[in-house]
Amino acid sequence: GAGVSQTPSNKVTEKGKYVELRCDPISGHTALYWYRQSLGQGPEFLIYFQGTGAADDSGLPNDRFFAVRPEGSVSTLKIQRTERGDSAVYLCASSLKGQDTQYFGPGTRLTVL
Amino acid sequence: KQEVTQIPAALSVPEGENLVLNCSFTDSAIYNLQWFRQDPGKGLTSLLLIQSSQREQTSGRLNASLDKSSGRSTLYIAASQPGDSATYLCATLTGANNLFFGTGTRLTVIP
Repeated sequence: GAGVSQTPSNKVTEKGKYVELRCDPISGHTALYWYRQSLGQGPEFLIYFQGTGAADDSGLPNDRFFAVRPEGSVSTLKIQRTERGDSAVYLCASSLKGQDTQYFGPGTRLTVL
Repeated sequence: KQEVTQIPAALSVPEGENLVLNCSFTDSAIYNLQWFRQDPGKGLTSLLLIQSSQREQTSGRLNASLDKSSGRSTLYIAASQPGDSATYLCATLTGANNLFFGTGTRLTVIP
């Protein structure tokens, strides 16, 4: 079956712009996660959804970052007033439910010029 | 906050060798531990998941062990092949339902 998909695969934007990153989880997975991976580092947790609600958003670095999952499937990570330090690979993962194996998408590479 | 450390940061071995990758974590109150593989420019592929109540898991040439009380896990790769070259990441799942990752071990298997 289809895995986790993310679009776009690459996004280049200018400092101060707004960006949206999309994640399509595996069908039937109730849990969805966003992580951010900087060069040479392991992924760092941003936010976790169980169904439509954000069960844990403690990893979001500041209020410029926001994520939604309105119908409990597709999720969008939104970044306002982008900064050069936001440049990273943004990874999405889903699992059947919390504490199960997480399956990762290929990521979106965000570059802020 | 959980801290996960992986040693070594990089490793080169000749094809056919057996090897061990190490992972340590500071908070033993974990639900499970996962080992992932990441190829350059790609996402993560789950290799093995060990529940907190388990001691080891095996898949093909891979064997992962978990010693929760000492905060350690190892990934053993038997008869390494050039196709095993990748970065290997370990991650622990805590009660918060998010994964804490190490920085990875970059493995190169030389033909």
